[in-house]
Amino acid sequence: AQSVTQLGSHVSVSEGALVLLRCNYSSSVPPYLFWYVQYPNQGLQLLLKYTTGATLVKGINGFEAEFKKSETSFHLTKPSAHMSDAAEYFCAAADTGGFKTIFGAGTRLFVKA
Amino acid sequence: GAGVSQSPSNKVTEKGKDVELRCDPISGHTALYWYRQSLGQGLEFLIYFQGNSAPDKSGLPSDRFSAERTGGSVSTLTIQRTQQEDSAVYLCASSIDGTTNEKLFFGSGTQLSVL
Repeated sequence: AQSVTQLGSHVSVSEGALVLLRCNYSSSVPPYLFWYVQYPNQGLQLLLKYTTGATLVKGINGFEAEFKKSETSFHLTKPSAHMSDAAEYFCAAADTGGFKTIFGAGTRLFVKA
Repeated sequence: GAGVSQSPSNKVTEKGKDVELRCDPISGHTALYWYRQSLGQGLEFLIYFQGNSAPDKSGLPSDRFSAERTGGSVSTLTIQRTQQEDSAVYLCASSIDGTTNEKLFFGSGTQLSVL
């Protein structure tokens, strides 16, 4: 069964520093991949997704993620962190042809002034 | 409506009581999902509805949990004889047609506390 692993339950960066949130999936067949963000007291919203085509995917708020089949990874990055990026980030995977989206445990991002 | 609506936003109950959580998906969305969010556990899939098809209940943790979706729209998640380990945020999501390359639209969740 598909599983998603997010390395690090908490990540802390300084404002202006690089953000790197790690995600690995388990299936041998590349699934559809997603990053969702949950701001304090808000519902989850989609940041970006990879389905087919270009492996570098750009999302909202300057975030991007790169699908690497050889590493079964879909890490999320942002060149320069902003205070407003503080939130919980969830990586998710969905098998092609299926219906169920499986989520990782989440990574809480803290941004220090 | 404009988004996925869940009610109540907070529910405190005593162990052994039954609770009902409501989800109103985005109008026109045929797929509806329930997830449970516990501290450090991520989002745990509970159940999926797609149109008039039989729901996939494979994620329900026990027979105390059930869900229905009336008229292909509003859904109710029922937890009978609640236990303290049921305390969590219950999230509802909908999508246009349930295909897995489509994004999920989430509600703000119901925070359930079982005392």
